[in-house]
Amino acid sequence: DTGVSQDPRHKITKRGQNVTFRCDPISEHNRLYWYRQTLGQGPEFLTYFQNEAQLEKSRLLSDRFSAERPKGSFSTLEIQRTEQGDSAMYLCASSLAQGYSYEQYFGPGTRLTVT
Amino acid sequence: AQSVAQPEDQVNVAEGNPLTVKCTYSVSGNPYLFWYVQYPNRGLQFLLKYITGDNLVKGSYGFEAEFNKSQTSFHLKKPSALVSDSALYFCAVRGASTGKLIFGQGTTLQVKP
Repeated sequence: DTGVSQDPRHKITKRGQNVTFRCDPISEHNRLYWYRQTLGQGPEFLTYFQNEAQLEKSRLLSDRFSAERPKGSFSTLEIQRTEQGDSAMYLCASSLAQGYSYEQYFGPGTRLTVT
Repeated sequence: AQSVAQPEDQVNVAEGNPLTVKCTYSVSGNPYLFWYVQYPNRGLQFLLKYITGDNLVKGSYGFEAEFNKSQTSFHLKKPSALVSDSALYFCAVRGASTGKLIFGQGTTLQVKP
């Protein structure tokens, strides 16, 4: 399968712990995005990269959240000092910024539960 | 600011009948518009997009959408619904100067046999 993959698929953590998620995009895609989705809502943008550069970050993203894409391939999203309000599905997507290929392809998500 | 509205939380339609899922948007400049579908316990799947050109765009699984600039709408349509079309549908928009998608709240489509 050459789609977007995310690891882990599920994560249960205690409040105050740090967690890190990984996303592997479609191999030829140069853009990578992170979104968060809570039950009954549409995905909410967090941040995105073009190659290694982080081009945009949501104002809603607190300082406890950080994302990296060090070699322009996979990306990690870290949440420090987790809170119960961080419980959500974290979605990764990738796209090819070329021509009219603007659609983003999503991975299966990482479901985070903070107890 | 960019925004998307999906005015119906749920749409019910009988199998074989046409379906419409509504979407209106607000964005500065030319909009790039998308429809995604989400099945239970599965990721978002891309259905179709409007970037430029013909106002009627065709996508996967027999779906199509009509872009109406004056009404700022991008409604999803299908001539004949299938039970397997039952899922959660999201409309999304992005502006030309940003990569991020802004999603609507989603519309649950229920197709009954």
